[in-house]
Amino acid sequence: QVQLVQSGAEVKKPGASVKVSCKASGYTFTSYGISWVRQAPGQGLEWMGWISAYNGNTNYAQKLQGRVTMTTDTSTSTAYMELRSLRSDDTAVYYCATTIQSFDYWGQGTLVTVSS
Amino acid sequence: QSALTQPASVSGSPGQSITISCTGTSSDVGGYNYVSWYQQHPGKAPKLMIYDVSKRPSGVSNRFSGSKSGNTASLTISGLQAEDEADYYCSSYTSSSTWVFGGGTKLTVL
Repeated sequence: QVQLVQSGAEVKKPGASVKVSCKASGYTFTSYGISWVRQAPGQGLEWMGWISAYNGNTNYAQKLQGRVTMTTDTSTSTAYMELRSLRSDDTAVYYCATTIQSFDYWGQGTLVTVSS
Repeated sequence: QSALTQPASVSGSPGQSITISCTGTSSDVGGYNYVSWYQQHPGKAPKLMIYDVSKRPSGVSNRFSGSKSGNTASLTISGLQAEDEADYYCSSYTSSSTWVFGGGTKLTVL
């Protein structure tokens, strides 16, 4: 069965960077893209961007352009999301999800807390 | 890209039907048949309930159905059950090759 397992919770100071991993299993990794979606405490879902696991093409949400980088390692079937210059409003649960035209399978989420 | 518009809350009694709307524009909901719906229980990851406007993934109850008219998509849940109480989000692919979510709807089963 398809499974996405994300890395553990992180606490970062403002201005720092965070890199969250998402290890996939149960399917051919290069068959689906991976999207990253975040959810601030008590708020809704926000799409952050997408990466093709086939060729590494990316598309990021305009508001995060320049601060976010998404990559994949096909040798380990793992996707990564790095967010730089962290601010307090980046505090959220970050999810990865397999993506064709919808978000079919989701990771368990990674809480990133930005606090001085 | 602005978020899609959903009602903040809806409610219904067990056994009843409810409908949640999701309004966008011709650049997202109205322009593509790539509307999907997600159920999220507190503290859990979202779960895909409907994709491509009206298709149900394997394992999702046929009490859940989706439709679209113009720039508005809808999720209908029939035969409401206590376990349906959750937050529901719509999402659409957009003309910018991005995705956008709705603000979410809290469903209360009375």
